[in-house]
Amino acid sequence: EAGVTQSPTHLIKTRGQQATLRCSPISGHTSVYWYQQALGLGLQFLLWYDEGEERNRGNFPPRFSGRQFPNYSSELNVNALELEDSALYLCASTIAWGLGNQPQHFGDGTRLSIL
Amino acid sequence: DAKTTQPPSMDCAEGRAANLPCNHSTISGNEYVYWYRQIHSQGPQYIIHGLKNNETNEMASLIITEDRKSSTLILPHATLRDTAVYYCIVRVAFGSGNTGKLIFGQGTTLQVKP
Repeated sequence: EAGVTQSPTHLIKTRGQQATLRCSPISGHTSVYWYQQALGLGLQFLLWYDEGEERNRGNFPPRFSGRQFPNYSSELNVNALELEDSALYLCASTIAWGLGNQPQHFGDGTRLSIL
Repeated sequence: DAKTTQPPSMDCAEGRAANLPCNHSTISGNEYVYWYRQIHSQGPQYIIHGLKNNETNEMASLIITEDRKSSTLILPHATLRDTAVYYCIVRVAFGSGNTGKLIFGQGTTLQVKP
């Protein structure tokens, strides 16, 4: 069974540009979570999508946005990039919301570097 | 979601059991304990989770105290590849009104030594 896949592995951008990160969940999983892991700050919850809808977002500005497609894959878009956006962006998927205690499974992330 | 407390670091000899403690004294009755680990530059890897009974899978065992205020993750025969940051997370089973998000602390850095 294929795990969560993320692309690209690395992404280098300059300040003010826009970045798009992609995530394909495990087959059969409908919920996708995005997390940011910045140096020294630990993993922080960014966004949650389920059945194509944004269900919740963490304490991040609106320039962090995304969407979930009908095949449950997801995109994370970051506009007007700032230096502090440099981080590892992790995607996790889990089976349908409402099935209680099922764990999230993570991809290996996209390393976003802002120059 | 309840907060967890873990020691910042631990060492373990290769081939020995690694016992990683976690304190979650404010855990609620409907909150599960999850363990993940993160090897450098990779995404967190799910290990095991439980509610109140001890759990075992091919990777590890999870021992939860009877009062549920603490737990221990046991790696029965640690190898060098088990060197990682281990996170203990408490989370309510998600459903209506809950987000299911995971709140990561600083975790325990386990160093397995030859």
